[in-house]
Amino acid sequence: DAKTTQPNSMESNEEEPVHLPCNHSTISGTDYIHWYRQLPSQGPEYVIHGLTSNVNNRMASLAIAEDRKSSTLILHRATLRDAAVYYCIPFFRGNTPLVFGKGTRLSVIA
Amino acid sequence: KAGVTQTPRYLIKTRGQQVTLSCSPISGHRSVSWYQQTPGQGLQFLFEYFSETQRNKGNFPGRFSGRQFSNSRSEMNVSTLELGDSALYLCASSFRAGSTDTQYFGPGTRLTVL
Repeated sequence: DAKTTQPNSMESNEEEPVHLPCNHSTISGTDYIHWYRQLPSQGPEYVIHGLTSNVNNRMASLAIAEDRKSSTLILHRATLRDAAVYYCIPFFRGNTPLVFGKGTRLSVIA
Repeated sequence: KAGVTQTPRYLIKTRGQQVTLSCSPISGHRSVSWYQQTPGQGLQFLFEYFSETQRNKGNFPGRFSGRQFSNSRSEMNVSTLELGDSALYLCASSFRAGSTDTQYFGPGTRLTVL
């Protein structure tokens, strides 16, 4: 399994952009990069995923480095509801389950 | 569409007992995965079922077992409960197995073993 490194915690002011980094230097060429988040007292929820190109959806943007050894989840305007633990997960389209690391705990300050 | 539902939401058992947790996936989803979440170990994969067959199994003792029914609903069972089994048990469903399909998680069952 590809190993990931994420900051334990980050803090952001409300309505400001947040950049959540993830290093996955051992990622293989076929691993997609998934991001999930877990709000307090809830199960994880899907945020976004990508393979090589940058991706955007209504929740966030995902910027993937050209060598694919790192990626950054971008929340364009953080809200209090975005306070959660964010997990970066390399995921092989094959036989492996999602492997969650420790993630980054994002705090949003009003 | 209704989301993933898990029952019960909370459960208190004593050591040595057994417990069965239930998961109803999103309609049309055929893959169901189970995870255990504890403060010390984080989220750990238990097993995955697809079309009533176990496709993957995590590194848990044989006391943890599961099954999936023809309507894709799944149950997991833990026998001879230990204090360390206290955890949040999460179920996730997806349309296909072994793909990049989004996994949808339920709210979890909080199990406390006394």
